[in-house]
Amino acid sequence: NAGVTQTPKFQVLKTGQSMTLQCAQDMNHNSMYWYRQDPGMGLRLIYYSASEGTTDKGEVPNGYNVSRLNKREFSLRLESAAPSQTSVYFCASSEGDGTGELFFGEGSRLTVL
Amino acid sequence: AQSVTQLDSQVPVFEEAPVELRCNYSSSVSVYLFWYVQYPNQGLQLLLKYLSGSTLVESINGFEAEFNKSQTSFHLRKPSVHISDTAEYFCAVPGSGGSYIPTFGRGTSLIVHP
Repeated sequence: NAGVTQTPKFQVLKTGQSMTLQCAQDMNHNSMYWYRQDPGMGLRLIYYSASEGTTDKGEVPNGYNVSRLNKREFSLRLESAAPSQTSVYFCASSEGDGTGELFFGEGSRLTVL
Repeated sequence: AQSVTQLDSQVPVFEEAPVELRCNYSSSVSVYLFWYVQYPNQGLQLLLKYLSGSTLVESINGFEAEFNKSQTSFHLRKPSVHISDTAEYFCAVPGSGGSYIPTFGRGTSLIVHP
């Protein structure tokens, strides 16, 4: 009963390094999302994928890229990490029709030094 | 575009006291409304949702929320809180224009003191 699985759970990077956050869901959902959570800012959408083969920018896409590898997997890449990208990142999935809930992963805590 | 406002960033209460977490939304179209809860060091999970029908919706752990169209509100209430209810609570609405991208409020931190 995995739901949404994110890896890694913790990561420390130096400024300028790159990394990819992996996300997979086993619920056959159409839509997948990447959010970042910062104190006092709530959840902010980075990128989303409404369906397999499509991706779109959210509220805060700068410095990030995404890949919807297949229906199950949606990865988030930081090409050149900056301290401002220190955050907790959440992947989520949903049916995508607006009436259903979002299912979230447990989060990935990223620190950029 | 639809949006939500959570009026309180932090709500401290004592155990067994009642609590209300406030959420107001702005929308000119049919409204779906959600409350999510985030326990410490976990992801968000759905607490309850309003899609249609009865304006009062309940969760399995004693929370309830009432959709009030005239006041554009969807406040979350519990008559008697427990220590285990300490968490961050987020109100959310789907996006408009066919994208259905959820928009979240900034969250309310419920802190239950013994």
